[in-house]
Amino acid sequence: GENVEQHPSTLSVQEGDSAVIKCTYSDSASNYFPWYKQELGKRPQLIIDIRSNVGEKKDQRIAVTLNKTAKHFSLHITETQPEDSAVYFCAAYMGYKLSFGAGTTVTVRA
Amino acid sequence: IAGITQAPTSQILAAGRRMTLRCTQDMRHNAMYWYRQDLGLGLRLIHYSNTAGTTGKGEVPDGYSVSRANTDDFPLTLASAVPSQTSVYFCASSDSSVGDTQYFGPGTRLTVL
Repeated sequence: GENVEQHPSTLSVQEGDSAVIKCTYSDSASNYFPWYKQELGKRPQLIIDIRSNVGEKKDQRIAVTLNKTAKHFSLHITETQPEDSAVYFCAAYMGYKLSFGAGTTVTVRA
Repeated sequence: IAGITQAPTSQILAAGRRMTLRCTQDMRHNAMYWYRQDLGLGLRLIHYSNTAGTTGKGEVPDGYSVSRANTDDFPLTLASAVPSQTSVYFCASSDSSVGDTQYFGPGTRLTVL
């Protein structure tokens, strides 16, 4: 089955700096890569996604890049704010199933 | 529109007891999923259903069963709970099972003693 590795497991950044989270996947047939944000005690919520026919996608301060050859994708958050503090999960979709990374806890220091 | 709801919000259960976690969506989504979330392990798929009347096993199905009698409901049953099933359980749904966005319910925190 699909294996998704996510790094780092924790990330602390100064407010206003950028944060980058990286994920790798094992199945070359994976074709959809969503990112979820989960605040403490809340449900995971989709923040951005990318499909295998696109190399980069941006939505305001967040962007995702995909390198299909290397089988890795990354989340970039620019100009971080305190409300960006949360756990972020990457995922890779193959067939019917989403496989999730273990998560990255992002802390934005004021 | 409620979206996707789960019940109960939390539950403490004695080992060996039977428990059903409920999940209902009003978005007429075809596909539904059950995940468990444990610290450091992310979200792991327990069971899924691509459409009403069909179900399949995910990554960690042992000790759990599901049914999908209609489009809206997807209950998860623990026939005889064990402490290792202590977790937060999330139900999710998507329009189809082919690369569509999955929307998550609020979760059920289950503790098995």
